[in-house]
Amino acid sequence: KQEVTQIPAALSVPEGENLVLNCSFTDSAIYNLQWFRQDPGKGLTSLLLIQSSQREQTSGRLNASLDKSSGRSTLYIAASQPGDSATYLCAVRRTGRRALTFGSGTRLQVQP
Amino acid sequence: SAVISQKPSRDICQRGTSLTIQCQVDSQVTMMFWYRQQPGQSLTLIATANQGSEATYESGFVIDKFPISRPNLTFSTLTVSNMSPEDSSIYLCSAGQGEETQYFGPGTRLLVL
Repeated sequence: KQEVTQIPAALSVPEGENLVLNCSFTDSAIYNLQWFRQDPGKGLTSLLLIQSSQREQTSGRLNASLDKSSGRSTLYIAASQPGDSATYLCAVRRTGRRALTFGSGTRLQVQP
Repeated sequence: SAVISQKPSRDICQRGTSLTIQCQVDSQVTMMFWYRQQPGQSLTLIATANQGSEATYESGFVIDKFPISRPNLTFSTLTVSNMSPEDSSIYLCSAGQGEETQYFGPGTRLLVL
């Protein structure tokens, strides 16, 4: 059974700092990995999707990497802003399965 | 990208009653799913909604409690039956096309008294 872990559970940083969020998964037979953002009381916004054959994806100030063999992914946020404050969720799609398995999330607070 | 809407956005229900949540996608999609997010927790898959056939439920979820319909490629409903306070959660619909990004609706916040 796939298990997804995110560290840290919560993070508070001053504005402008670069930061890294970590995600690990137990079964390396994944099809893709997706990072989401969830604002309080809201649904999920997809940030980045990395296919299993890819090493990284970039969108603006966000960069996500994937090391499938070690079961790890990182989300790098450059020059953080207060508007980045949210919960960040990592989700893995296993090979042969269509639904996602989610981590417990990292709650990020960027202080102005 | 797919835009997903859900109705209702929130509700407060009495114990023992049922609530049906609707999910509408703005384009035809191959995959639709229902997830639950209990307070302070991450998302857990309830079931895969299959177009024209019975939904596929995850361990711990049963059709009698969470009946699901998917009459076409853009619409699905989830019913939470015989509710108890433990059913208080956010229920999220998601959809995807082929191997692409999965998109999520805004969620339905349910409080059972």
